[in-house]
Amino acid sequence: KAGVTQTPRYLIKTRGQQVTLSCSPISGHRSVSWYQQTPGQGLQFLFEYFSETQRNKGNFPGRFSGRQFSNSRSEMNVSTLELGDSALYLCASSFQEGGRNTGELFFGEGSRLTVL
Amino acid sequence: AQRVTQPEKLLSVFKGAPVELKCNYSYSGSPELFWYVQYSRQRLQLLLRHISRESIKGFTADLNKGETSFHLKKPFAQEEDSAMYYCALGLWGNEKLTFGTGTRLTIIP
Repeated sequence: KAGVTQTPRYLIKTRGQQVTLSCSPISGHRSVSWYQQTPGQGLQFLFEYFSETQRNKGNFPGRFSGRQFSNSRSEMNVSTLELGDSALYLCASSFQEGGRNTGELFFGEGSRLTVL
Repeated sequence: AQRVTQPEKLLSVFKGAPVELKCNYSYSGSPELFWYVQYSRQRLQLLLRHISRESIKGFTADLNKGETSFHLKKPFAQEEDSAMYYCALGLWGNEKLTFGTGTRLTIIP
């Protein structure tokens, strides 16, 4: 099985711009989560989608949004970029068993965003 | 709110010596606890979870609800254990994980 795929792997933006990151989960995984990783804050949960619905949301401003498509692929968008948004954005997918997730997240390699 | 604390950012251990990576959590309910690992140039991946009560690559972790701890242990360290280790807390039925800040383990040959 192919792993979680994230695109683009690297990107550079300037303050005020917006960015869209894409994530393709492992085939058969319907849950997709997004995390922001920075040296200072570590891994922080952004949101989780399941069957095109946002089920959980972290403590991030409304500039951070996401969506999930019918094929389970997900995108996240950050508008009005700030310098502090520079980070590695990780996507993870997981499999449902008996109506709930197994707790094992499969991570992608991440999209490294630099905001200048 | 849930919180996970890993007090050691860096830990160096000689090959063959025992390893213990500390993890403490704060949560009033019944949490799910995990250890994730990231080897050099690899993706973050699950190492073990407390409900499985299994040993993976020689590592074990016991959930101590009284001390709210979930320390990761291995009796004899190997060079291939060098990696970044993250403790994570999840809630039953909720996919959100709260991660600790991680401990970089270096095994000295």
